[in-house]
Amino acid sequence: QQQVKQSPQSLIVQKGGISIINCAYENTAFDYFPWYQQFPGKGPALLIAIRPDVSEKKEGRFTISFNKSAKQFSLHIMDSQPGDSATYFCAANRGSTLGRLYFGRGTQLTVWP
Amino acid sequence: DSGVTQTPKHLITATGQRVTLRCSPRSGDLSVYWYQQSLDQGLQFLIQYYNGEERAKGNILERFSAQQFPDLHSELNLSSLELGDSALYFCASSVGTANTGELFFGEGSRLTVL
Repeated sequence: QQQVKQSPQSLIVQKGGISIINCAYENTAFDYFPWYQQFPGKGPALLIAIRPDVSEKKEGRFTISFNKSAKQFSLHIMDSQPGDSATYFCAANRGSTLGRLYFGRGTQLTVWP
Repeated sequence: DSGVTQTPKHLITATGQRVTLRCSPRSGDLSVYWYQQSLDQGLQFLIQYYNGEERAKGNILERFSAQQFPDLHSELNLSSLELGDSALYFCASSVGTANTGELFFGEGSRLTVL
């Protein structure tokens, strides 16, 4: 059973456009929601993360929006660049399970010039 | 560069064989995690060690085992290999028990079972 559901599976965006990736979860015990970015041949790397006590977090061109009541969160990439082309994973974690992350299936983002 | 080192990068072996994957965590990190990435299952947590002790167990098969040594490096042992074990195996590390979810991943070991 997939604890975190992610969509879309793939996304193609024009340079300068907005990329939006959505995730949903069921377990209300989750209390930390990171996004990881993975380039081909590399391991995932933490991009940005949010806790459920805030509805939005912004770091540069990357913004997480969090809707606790709907149990959904999303990643927005503003002014998308070809260098953003990568696979993005949302994840969730609950304090009692320490570092165990439940990952979404990933979204392959392609930004074309 | 995350600072996490995994060896080997690629490994090809036959069904029924046994392999060992090695991980050196970032300097100062006490926790080591193993994840399996496959097309079927995505990124799945296998096991976590903290300062030499097993702390959490996920979807790890009985044919698989791991340990963390006093110098904090870790090894994942995969035995009686099956075709379905072909995957990318990631090691990650963190300073503590990573309640923040901030893990630093290595570049992975790609296992192909023929």
